[in-house]
Amino acid sequence: QVQLVESGGGVVQPGGSLRLSCVASGFTFSTYGMHWVRQVPGKGLEWVSVISTDVNNRYYADSVKGRFTISRDNSRNTVYLQMANLRAEDTAMYYCARSEPGRFSFDYWGQGTPVTVSS
Amino acid sequence: EIVLTQSPGTLSLSPGERATLSCRASQSVSSSYLAWYQHKPGQAPRLLIFGASNRATGIPDRFSGSGSGTDFTLTISRLEPEDFAVYYCQKYGTSTGYTFGQGTKLEIK
Repeated sequence: QVQLVESGGGVVQPGGSLRLSCVASGFTFSTYGMHWVRQVPGKGLEWVSVISTDVNNRYYADSVKGRFTISRDNSRNTVYLQMANLRAEDTAMYYCARSEPGRFSFDYWGQGTPVTVSS
Repeated sequence: EIVLTQSPGTLSLSPGERATLSCRASQSVSSSYLAWYQHKPGQAPRLLIFGASNRATGIPDRFSGSGSGTDFTLTISRLEPEDFAVYYCQKYGTSTGYTFGQGTKLEIK
């Protein structure tokens, strides 16, 4: 069955960096777009970033552009989110999710990894 | 930027009742780009509906989506105890990426 397992979350000081990982299994990873979506405590969902199957297309929400970098390693079935210059408002649960080719929704999600930015 | 506004913010109903959740867009959205999710605390969000009206794999037929243009609706025909959760609509935009509504909390009355 499809599984997405995130890791790498933790507590970091403002201005610090963190790298999140999401390991996928149960499907042909290289054929799916992969996303990161976050949820600030007590708030709704916010899409963060997407990377295409061939890594050539990467897009970001305005709130993280220039600070976050998404990447993927199809040989390891893993998608990453490198987060730099972190701010208090980046505190959230971070989920990875996949999207089927030609579809504009997220059909499977991981359980999330929490990130806290605090001094 | 297209904004999605969900209503009501909270919906209090009893098991067995019908739930109607609304998602209104500030500008027209292609039906192909509209989806609905269910999210329970401590769990991964779950895709219910894609393309405005297509049920995702494994979703019971009591869940249905409808609408077009700026007005979309998620209907749960007969509420089961496990349906009480927060529901989000989501759209895709070629220049703005993916956007979620603020959510509707469906609670037990």
